[in-house]
Amino acid sequence: QKEVEQNSGPLSVPEGAIASLNCTYSDRGSQSFFWYRQYSGKSPELIMSIYSNGDKEDGRFTAQLNKASQYVSLLIRDSQPSDSATYLCAVNMGSSNTGKLIFGQGTTLQVKP
Amino acid sequence: DVKVTQSSRYLVKRTGEKVFLECVQDMDHENMFWYRQDPGLGLRLIYFSYDVKMKEKGDIPEGYSVSREKKERFSLILESASTNQTSMYLCASTGGYQPQHFGDGTRLSIL
Repeated sequence: QKEVEQNSGPLSVPEGAIASLNCTYSDRGSQSFFWYRQYSGKSPELIMSIYSNGDKEDGRFTAQLNKASQYVSLLIRDSQPSDSATYLCAVNMGSSNTGKLIFGQGTTLQVKP
Repeated sequence: DVKVTQSSRYLVKRTGEKVFLECVQDMDHENMFWYRQDPGLGLRLIYFSYDVKMKEKGDIPEGYSVSREKKERFSLILESASTNQTSMYLCASTGGYQPQHFGDGTRLSIL
C-alpha cells in the first residue's frame, strides 16, 4: 500500500511566525511532489511543485525535498491569518505517467492574529 | 492557466435517481480524475481516465461509473443515487508528471 503521511494538526502558529508542514511517503520511486492549499468548502489549489532534492522557494513558500529520507516539507514564512487552511501533500509514485497522485490526509494550519 | 469546469456547484437529487456530474478541461490533458471528499476521510479517488474511452477504477468505484467520449470531457455517473453518496465531488486533470488541477467542486446532496 503506497502511502503519504501527514500530521493532521491543527498546527497553530502566531501571525508573522514560520509554519512548518511535513510529509513522508512510502515509495522510493516517487517522481513528483506537490503541495496544495484547501480552504474550507473550496477545492484544492496548487501552491508548490518540487521534483528534485533540495529547496524551492516561491515568495513566502519554500518546499524542501529529501528523497533519501522520503520526506517533503513546506515552510511558510511570515504566516498570515489568510494562510489558515488545510495543506495537502501529494506524491506521484512510480513510473506511470497517468498523473495519478497519492494524497495525504492534510494538515490544518491556524494562524492566530 | 488551466481551467477545469464542473457543471454545477450545488446539486440536490433524490434517492434512486441517475445523476450525471460533468467536467470539462481546456488544456488538452490526457488524464482526468474524479474524487469525493468527506470530512475526516480526505480525498478518495473514484475513477480516472488516461485517454478517450479508457478508464480505471480508483479506490471507491462502487455505485459509480464514468464516461469519456471526448478528450476534454469526463463524466461521473451515479447509477442509482443513495444518501451515502452525499459528498463534495472534485474533478481534476493533468498532463502526466505535472500537478493535477482541480475544478471548483460539486456539493451533491441526495435526499
